[in-house]
Amino acid sequence: KNEVEQSPQNLTAQEGEFITINCSYSVGISALHWLQQHPGGGIVSLFMLSSGKKKHGRLIATINIQEKHSSLHITASHPRDSAVYICAVSGGSNYKLTFGKGTLLTVNP
Amino acid sequence: GAVVSQHPSRVICKSGTSVKIECRSLDFQATTMFWYRQFPKQSLMLMATSNEGSKATYEQGVEKDKFLINHASLTLSTLTVTSAHPEDSSFYICSASATGLSTDTQYFGPGTRLTVL
Repeated sequence: KNEVEQSPQNLTAQEGEFITINCSYSVGISALHWLQQHPGGGIVSLFMLSSGKKKHGRLIATINIQEKHSSLHITASHPRDSAVYICAVSGGSNYKLTFGKGTLLTVNP
Repeated sequence: GAVVSQHPSRVICKSGTSVKIECRSLDFQATTMFWYRQFPKQSLMLMATSNEGSKATYEQGVEKDKFLINHASLTLSTLTVTSAHPEDSSFYICSASATGLSTDTQYFGPGTRLTVL
């Protein structure tokens, strides 16, 4: 079993829909990261959080430390949001990240 | 925000040749840089952790003599794939952890797509 599990693996939505991607982890962490990878491959860090909730534009990330669960929400989704969203966790003093397998999001116009 | 660049963005080489990939932190000093590899439809896999001025720490199963890592300054780390073979074709991504900032903050480079013929 992977230490970081994401669901769903694939998600197709219509433009304007509210999107939720989930991430569960089984290890102790110091921080959880949400990353976005576009088809060209480049990775953008969206959020790093260790508690509570963060918001940036149409993106919202929440984490529940007790339940070892995080969610990434996208409001008013747009075709340009189409990408792979990756959850990763870090722990300890060596900054190493453990990655989920990613969620492929396709937003249709 | 902090920027990490990689060069080249794409490289095609013949089997048996060596390829060097550079990872630079453009506006911050990076004590630690990480090298990842990503095969198609797979998750990123950490290859090695590179600390400025010391030897890299390789993950299990990664050949240190094949993937040479040099982190000679606080803004540059290089990964050299020696005697490349077609199975080394992959997407290589670096990330950098900034000195003095949150220890969990990593900034990712845009990646280098290596194709070995």
